[in-house]
Amino acid sequence: GAGVSQSPRYKVTKRGQDVALRCDPISGHVSLYWYRQALGQGPEFLTYFNYEAQQDKSGLPNDRFSAERPEGSISTLTIQRTEQRDSAMYRCASSLGPGQGALGYGYTFGSGTRLTVV
Amino acid sequence: LAKTTQPISMDSYEGQEVNITCSHNNIATNDYITWYQQFPSQGPRFIIQGYKTKVTNEVASLFIPADRKSSTLSLPRVSLSDTAVYYCLVGEGGGTYKYIFGTGTRLKVLA
Repeated sequence: GAGVSQSPRYKVTKRGQDVALRCDPISGHVSLYWYRQALGQGPEFLTYFNYEAQQDKSGLPNDRFSAERPEGSISTLTIQRTEQRDSAMYRCASSLGPGQGALGYGYTFGSGTRLTVV
Repeated sequence: LAKTTQPISMDSYEGQEVNITCSHNNIATNDYITWYQQFPSQGPRFIIQGYKTKVTNEVASLFIPADRKSSTLSLPRVSLSDTAVYYCLVGEGGGTYKYIFGTGTRLKVLA
């Protein structure tokens, strides 16, 4: 697609429910990143993929969080047994090369999914 | 681990040049420095990227000294619409392409 697409834009869920957040990167982009951003804070790294391989998941807060990108394109971030502290904006970004190796392009971010756990 | 340090906030007036400096003492030898702009309710947007010396595009200039331990984003003749948070980003090194955003610099442009 023309840009990075995330869905849903807004998600309200009850505490204890599982949620799945979807990211559709720009076609042909190798790297895909997940970040979480609280209001007034910078984006917090969660995990990233090169193609279908998850390269680094050190930013995932705990084992309730997982991510996959099975065919090297669309990615899903899943949060199991949601808690109120999981409420945040979840942002996905993609880049042409590994990391920011595509000189002059950096990441392209999606519009994000606003998750609210009640 | 690489870590960036920027001023928390800056004020400027329309038409002035704004320089925002970021320190990154532990930048990896092969890593680039990238700057992003973020408006409220939007995702960060790529501004400029460089490795050393000076890079210029239609939006900004990026100055990187020889030791690469810092970089300065220069915005010429800012306008009210440049009010945003600006982040510099470097990799963590060690063979990973993990990128950590710092707290950023909140630039407020006044009329």
